[in-house]
Amino acid sequence: DADVTQTPRNRITKTGKRIMLECSQTKGHDRMYWYRQDPGLGLRLIYYSFDVKDINKGEISDGYSVSRQAQAKFSLSLESAIPNQTALYFCATSDRGNQPQHFGDGTRLSIL
Amino acid sequence: AQKVTQAQTEISVVEKEDVTLDCVYETRDTTYYLFWYKQPPSGELVFLIRRNSFDEQNEISGRYSWNFQKSTSSFNFTITASQVVDSAVYFCALSEYTTSGTYKYIFGTGTRLKVLA
Repeated sequence: DADVTQTPRNRITKTGKRIMLECSQTKGHDRMYWYRQDPGLGLRLIYYSFDVKDINKGEISDGYSVSRQAQAKFSLSLESAIPNQTALYFCATSDRGNQPQHFGDGTRLSIL
Repeated sequence: AQKVTQAQTEISVVEKEDVTLDCVYETRDTTYYLFWYKQPPSGELVFLIRRNSFDEQNEISGRYSWNFQKSTSSFNFTITASQVVDSAVYFCALSEYTTSGTYKYIFGTGTRLKVLA
């Protein structure tokens, strides 16, 4: 089984819909991250969490919200999806901030 | 300000050629960490290497080697005798310690490497 699991892997939805992307991990890491990847822009940080009670905005948090339900679970929500949120979304975990991040397989989200 | 620049958007080489992917970084801190990740066409992100700012030794792992030079703020990645399976997007990343007591992680925009048979 994968250490970092993202669901769904693919999602197509319409403008204005609420979407939730889920991430769970079995690595036992405290730190979890959500990124989006767009062609030519690399990976940009949306939100990150150092533990269940600590959630922080990244560089592009507008239009997104997160929930850290447990050490192992970190969900990303788009309250009212818009087409420019079409992207590949990654969840990642790390043991500490100076350690490698471990990524899920990504969620490809298309908003029509 | 913290920044990672991968100026090469896309590189194409013929199989068995050597290729170097450039990474230039900016940081105000003396303690920082550099990383390389690989994203093959299947889409997952795979960690390749981590280097801290106090260790300027070059590293070799099979056909892969990394050249860290603090004098030029560069952490370049060379693939020797490239193979088609090396075709991927490669990301360089920087983690530095901030005044808020946390590490901030930033990725470059990636270099797409195409190795032609």
